[in-house]
Amino acid sequence: GAGVSQTPSNKVTEKGKYVELRCDPISGHTALYWYRQSLGQGPEFLIYFQGTGAADDSGLPNDRFFAVRPEGSVSTLKIQRTERGDSAVYLCASSLLRDPRNTGELFFGEGSRLTVL
Amino acid sequence: DAKTTQPNSMESNEEEPVHLPCNHSTISGTDYIHWYRQLPSQGPEYVIHGLTSNVNNRMASLAIAEDRKSSTLILHRATLRDAAVYYCILRDMGGYKLSFGAGTTVTVRA
Repeated sequence: GAGVSQTPSNKVTEKGKYVELRCDPISGHTALYWYRQSLGQGPEFLIYFQGTGAADDSGLPNDRFFAVRPEGSVSTLKIQRTERGDSAVYLCASSLLRDPRNTGELFFGEGSRLTVL
Repeated sequence: DAKTTQPNSMESNEEEPVHLPCNHSTISGTDYIHWYRQLPSQGPEYVIHGLTSNVNNRMASLAIAEDRKSSTLILHRATLRDAAVYYCILRDMGGYKLSFGAGTTVTVRA
């Protein structure tokens, strides 16, 4: 499809395991964002990429969380030594760096639901 | 980021208008007012945004107070598909990220 694609849609893992979540942005979108959403709350910013580089990673909660975007397109969010508190929906969004309609619109995927047992 | 305040929830009947208020008393001159909504089990989607003047698009209208300290998102005729969480967000003109609050949960009764 033409939208932001996230895989897996659901991931169940055990405490202490390593997890990777993948985001495939809209073609041509140079900006990419990761958000985390806990039940009943709004999405919480994690990290922002411009091209291949992380321009703002101030939302990553600790050093167990890491994200990469090596070729400026697909991004992977990596979580080491998962904890039960990491359970949430992880949302990815992409946008144009220069939006001709000047909306600054972020296009979100449907998210990856992570459950840590 | 400047903070917004929204009611936790609102109810509406189908085919009736919905007025969603948002207070943003600390808004700065370069902050745009953005609205997103999140349908169940989906990511947020853009609804509308504005700076000073009222705005209309195919989804909704945005009415901005003259002092810009508050705004109202107007859904002209609510449908069951409009049941969602609606987020009012301030975003600086040169900014890149959106900071979401808890939003307003809109329920539409058939």
